[in-house]
Amino acid sequence: GAVVSQHPSWVICKSGTSVKIECRSLDFQATTMFWYRQFPKQSLMLMATSNEGSKATYEQGVEKDKFLINHASLTLSTLTVTSAHPEDSSFYICSARDGGASGRPTGELFFGEGSRLTVL
Amino acid sequence: GENVEQHPSTLSVQEGDSAVIKCTYSDSASNYFPWYKQELGKRPQLIIDIRSNVGEKKDQRIAVTLNKTAKHFSLHITETQPEDSAVYFCAASKDWNSGYALNFGKGTSLLVTP
Repeated sequence: GAVVSQHPSWVICKSGTSVKIECRSLDFQATTMFWYRQFPKQSLMLMATSNEGSKATYEQGVEKDKFLINHASLTLSTLTVTSAHPEDSSFYICSARDGGASGRPTGELFFGEGSRLTVL
Repeated sequence: GENVEQHPSTLSVQEGDSAVIKCTYSDSASNYFPWYKQELGKRPQLIIDIRSNVGEKKDQRIAVTLNKTAKHFSLHITETQPEDSAVYFCAASKDWNSGYALNFGKGTSLLVTP
């Protein structure tokens, strides 16, 4: 399958600092990327849909000023957690759709490894 | 928005038995229904999917059925093996080809005991 790389895989930061998480599609172009948040033993909660070259679409209840998403190229989307607080501690996972140019079936969603954020 | 309900939340079966996980969705416009398997500490991976123009799809020991009228779909795993133990998520999306996101169920933790 396709490869989606997410970095860093884990990060510990102090309250009030900002943390950037990168999501890269390594062998295909991803016109659309999605950011999810996963709490322990819970489901994947969609945070936002990121389209290359345009503003992200945030889900209801997700603060766009808190979780800044940038999708500057077809292979890279970033999530920045600004002024992080302990309640932001979570597992953040990105996913990317294969746009079809790779030759694989169009539309399959591939996940990154996830990033575990701990805010002290 | 789309609301996906998944049951049961936990499921324990003996090796060799079948496992069935059920999901319902709320948006009748949904037309793409994938199932993901997430092993502990790993990323979710697609195991099977079905589109709304098909009622059933099978891939070796895994099958998915879709009832559009009732707005529910199910995952069937036959001849379960210990390596099937994982968390399984169903998802639904409308107009998936146009870039709509997947909305996930809460997951089912499947344990297959030898």
